[in-house]
Amino acid sequence: KNQVEQSPQSLIILEGKNCTLQCNYTVSPFSNLRWYKQDTGRGPVSLTIMTFSENTKSNGRYTATLDADTKQSSLHITASQLSDSASYICVVSARTGFQKLVFGTGTRLLVSP
Amino acid sequence: DTEVTQTPKHLVMGMTNKKSLKCEQHMGHRAMYWYKQKAKKPPELMFVYSYEKLSINESVPSRFSPECPNSSLLNLHLHALQPEDSALYLCASSQAYASDSYEQYFGPGTRLTVT
Repeated sequence: KNQVEQSPQSLIILEGKNCTLQCNYTVSPFSNLRWYKQDTGRGPVSLTIMTFSENTKSNGRYTATLDADTKQSSLHITASQLSDSASYICVVSARTGFQKLVFGTGTRLLVSP
Repeated sequence: DTEVTQTPKHLVMGMTNKKSLKCEQHMGHRAMYWYKQKAKKPPELMFVYSYEKLSINESVPSRFSPECPNSSLLNLHLHALQPEDSALYLCASSQAYASDSYEQYFGPGTRLTVT
């Protein structure tokens, strides 16, 4: 069964600190992996999208890594800001020829002053 | 412009009401999607329109009726909803449905409360 699991479920960090969120998936065959940021009550906003051949991708203070062999991804946030408080959702697209996304349950991050 | 807009932002309706949610994009995308998201859960796909034709209906109850009047607009008509239908309704679009690599752009959502 195609699944995406994220850890931790929730996380509290102090402003200015770094953190890493984890994503494990069983989606096969694999096409790409996406990280979205979702503020409470708002739509998800794309941070990165990585294909099989990409190991690392950055978007400002966000850096995503992908290990397609172990089917793991991580999202590293550097020098966290209060505005980083949100849910971070890992989404995997299967190579089906169609837009069929498998969503993780997300990690809720709270950055505390 | 990578914006998907949704109206209204909030909607409160009774179980006997009829209302509609509206979604619009001007990116020239030919695929549009409706998702339902309950609190602390990931989005669940409801419908997919590809080239203005309904391609996917994920066994959604008939009290939800989608409509795609043109390539830029997507509506979701609501009738006789139940309190458990209260959720955040998200619209998304992508360049096409028949590709697993295109990015999906999400709107800000409509927060629906059924009383």
